[in-house]
Amino acid sequence: KNEVEQSPQNLTAQEGEFITINCSYSVGISALHWLQQHPGGGIVSLFMLSSGKKKHGRLIATINIQEKHSSLHITASHPRDSAVYICAGRWDTDKLIFGTGTRLQVFP
Amino acid sequence: KAGVTQTPRYLIKTRGQQVTLSCSPISGHRSVSWYQQTPGQGLQFLFEYFSETQRNKGNFPGRFSGRQFSNSRSEMNVSTLELGDSALYLCASSFQGQGNEQYFGPGTRLTVT
Repeated sequence: KNEVEQSPQNLTAQEGEFITINCSYSVGISALHWLQQHPGGGIVSLFMLSSGKKKHGRLIATINIQEKHSSLHITASHPRDSAVYICAGRWDTDKLIFGTGTRLQVFP
Repeated sequence: KAGVTQTPRYLIKTRGQQVTLSCSPISGHRSVSWYQQTPGQGLQFLFEYFSETQRNKGNFPGRFSGRQFSNSRSEMNVSTLELGDSALYLCASSFQGQGNEQYFGPGTRLTVT
């Protein structure tokens, strides 16, 4: 069964801290997506990766295929980073399966 | 380029009624996927349409259906509404499908009373 698990469920941080959100998944994944959802519901796609590492501004996503694990890092966190972060996996069925999300709150 | 638009943004319906939601993708995108988000189940894939054909379907009852028009706009329909259908319904468009980056609309929040 294709599954995605995220941790932690909730995360609080002080502005400026380095943040890591983890995602583990079942074998055979084709690609992993990281999404950001702000209060009000809008979702933004942050990264789509199948190997290695991607960086965009203060956000870095890594994936280790052998360990079936991906991480999303936020450097120098800011209150505007407060959101729910969701990882989603895609297998050969081509359907996205989502993790339960990590609620991040960054305090000034 | 205009983003993905969804209408209506909010909707209140009564049990037993039916509802139609609309999604206009980004110009040039041929794939539209629909998702349901609830506090209990999180985000779940409903179905994907590509070039007017349903290409993939999640594990939802037949009360949930959809279609895509020649201009790539898509609609989803839920018949015989149940209280458990209350959710945020999101659509996302991409150039070719779930293997590409997904661009999400703002969602339609459906409340069933």
